[in-house]
Amino acid sequence: QKEVEQNSGPLSVPEGAIASLNCTYSDRVSQSFFWYRQYSGKSPELIMSIYSNGDKEDGRFTAQLNKASQYVSLLIRDSQPSDSATYLCAAVRYQGGKLIFGQGTELSVKP
Amino acid sequence: DAGVIQSPRHEVTEMGQEVTLRCKPISGHDYLFWYRQTMMRGLELLIYFNNNVPIDDSGMPEDRFSAKMPNASFSTLKIQPSEPRDSAVYFCASSQIVTDTQYFGPGTRLTVL
Repeated sequence: QKEVEQNSGPLSVPEGAIASLNCTYSDRVSQSFFWYRQYSGKSPELIMSIYSNGDKEDGRFTAQLNKASQYVSLLIRDSQPSDSATYLCAAVRYQGGKLIFGQGTELSVKP
Repeated sequence: DAGVIQSPRHEVTEMGQEVTLRCKPISGHDYLFWYRQTMMRGLELLIYFNNNVPIDDSGMPEDRFSAKMPNASFSTLKIQPSEPRDSAVYFCASSQIVTDTQYFGPGTRLTVL
């Protein structure tokens, strides 16, 4: 079992719709979680970090964390073609503090 | 701040040659990370440093890979000898604390022929 798992996609949504990206992790004591966006040929850039159970909103983005279910998600409201990218979920491994990335989910927003 | 700086941006070399990748972290960041990204394996942590000291090199694939951080503003990742399977994008990232946001450099795309 991979430490951080994501559906590779591609996930295709129409412009203006809500895109829902999901991630599960195996380290029960992980405390820090991140969503990075990576455009093709570019480096990952941080979108959201989340540390507590519940929702965290930032503009059109909402991160959700459920530690009991070991589940992290990212919702993108009013999706735009410019949101088309690969979204990487990452969790900090409790032992050693390493950031472990999932394989990424490719999102395509169709005009 | 200029962000994390990496050089070269692209490197094409022949099998058996030595390759050196360079990184300048964001000033004030105590942690520096080297990652490798391929389609097959995704983004993998190779090694990370805290205050110039290597903390975890368990991700370094084999002895052909080595990394150094002689001072707070410079790190190198060396591959000697290089092999075609080393072809990947290598990212350097830095952060203030290990559990905090990591800021990535633009990456070095390495092609080993």
